[in-house]
Amino acid sequence: NAGVMQNPRHLVRRRGQEARLRCSPVKGHSHVYWYRQLPEEGLKFMVYLQKENIIDESGMPKERFSAEFPKEGPSILRIQQVVRGDSAAYFCASSPLSGSRVYEQYFGPGTRLTVT
Amino acid sequence: QKEVEQNSGPLSVPEGAIASLNCTYSDRVSQSFFWYRQYSGKSPELIMSIYSNGDKEDGRFTAQLNKASQYVSLLIRDSQPSDSATYLCAVMGAGGTSYGKLTFGQGTILTVHP
Repeated sequence: NAGVMQNPRHLVRRRGQEARLRCSPVKGHSHVYWYRQLPEEGLKFMVYLQKENIIDESGMPKERFSAEFPKEGPSILRIQQVVRGDSAAYFCASSPLSGSRVYEQYFGPGTRLTVT
Repeated sequence: QKEVEQNSGPLSVPEGAIASLNCTYSDRVSQSFFWYRQYSGKSPELIMSIYSNGDKEDGRFTAQLNKASQYVSLLIRDSQPSDSATYLCAVMGAGGTSYGKLTFGQGTILTVHP
């Protein structure tokens, strides 16, 4: 079974550019979550999505950040006009739709974003 | 008060000893609790989930939950150097806007020395 896949694993962007981070959940998982880990800080929730729906975006910065999980294809976290403070590790996690493990979230390898 | 607090560490134990990691949470209605292990530069790996009061054992790991005290712990028996990592406590709310969102503690760094 393939786990959660994220790409790219490393992304370097200049200030003002756009960053697109992609996440493919575990096969059969319908719930996707994005978390951010800033240097020397803990993991922070950003957004929770199901196919074609944003369930909870309470952790998303109000500007420049958006996320989607289309009917077909991976989930995308998009950061417009990146700033140095966006440099962090971005993790995607997924969980199944039902069953005894419905609350368990499995993390992908992460995308390390560096803004220069 | 932080939503999820872990003992600050770092925690150092000799090989073969029991490592005890503690976590308290502030949201009384929280229902689901998880322990993740994160090696330096890697992603969090789920090692235990617990939903009911009491103990849950899986191999060398035992999770303990006390909802009345809002306390969850992880015991690692027969600690190995390969257990050296940061251990993250995570809590999920009961429903509504809290469902799905994991709130993490700041992590406890564990070092197991030979």
